[in-house]
Amino acid sequence: AQSVAQPEDQVNVAEGNPLTVKCTYSVSGNPYLFWYVQYPNRGLQFLLKYITGDNLVKGSYGFEAEFNKSQTSFHLKKPSALVSDSALYFCAVRDVPTGGGNKLTFGTGTQLKVEL
Amino acid sequence: NAGVTQTPKFQVLKTGQSMTLQCAQDMNHEYMSWYRQDPGMGLRLIHYSVGAGITDQGEVPNGYNVSRSTTEDFPLRLLSAAPSQTSVYFCASSLFRTGVNTEAFFGQGTRLTVV
Repeated sequence: AQSVAQPEDQVNVAEGNPLTVKCTYSVSGNPYLFWYVQYPNRGLQFLLKYITGDNLVKGSYGFEAEFNKSQTSFHLKKPSALVSDSALYFCAVRDVPTGGGNKLTFGTGTQLKVEL
Repeated sequence: NAGVTQTPKFQVLKTGQSMTLQCAQDMNHEYMSWYRQDPGMGLRLIHYSVGAGITDQGEVPNGYNVSRSTTEDFPLRLLSAAPSQTSVYFCASSLFRTGVNTEAFFGQGTRLTVV
């Protein structure tokens, strides 16, 4: 069974500072990994996804994520945080199956708060 | 391009009532799914479909039914609403391709309260 852990319920960072939102995963095969962002009273928006071979993935709004197979992690990063980045962030994983299948398993989410 | 459209946005039900949450997508995606979002629990998969006429259960299917008569629509039915079904419900769709990493697109959500 696949699973995702986001160990921090909330991350606080000052505007202009770098931010990291942590994610670790467990799958039986190779993972497909994703980050989504949710603003208040909105649906989830896709930020970025892991593509095999590219350990540093770049996504929307200046976000990037670093895939580390040995540590089974896929941490979300941004070099300089903005107040507008404040939102709920979800990491998600999908096992790479032989026959297809798109079932995503989500972490519990990390609330990012960027302060002036 | 509307993407994934969910209706209604808000709903209050009495215990025992039934209702259908609507979901439609215009991206010709084969894969559609329903999640519920509860505080501290992330999103949990209720039901999913890999194409018209094909549905399957997810992690928390009890109390919900789905059908997929067309590629575009994937309604979620609550048979007899219970307070434990108070939640925010999201519909999502994606391409369905073996060996290709495809992201899911989400609707805006339906906030359901069962009293």
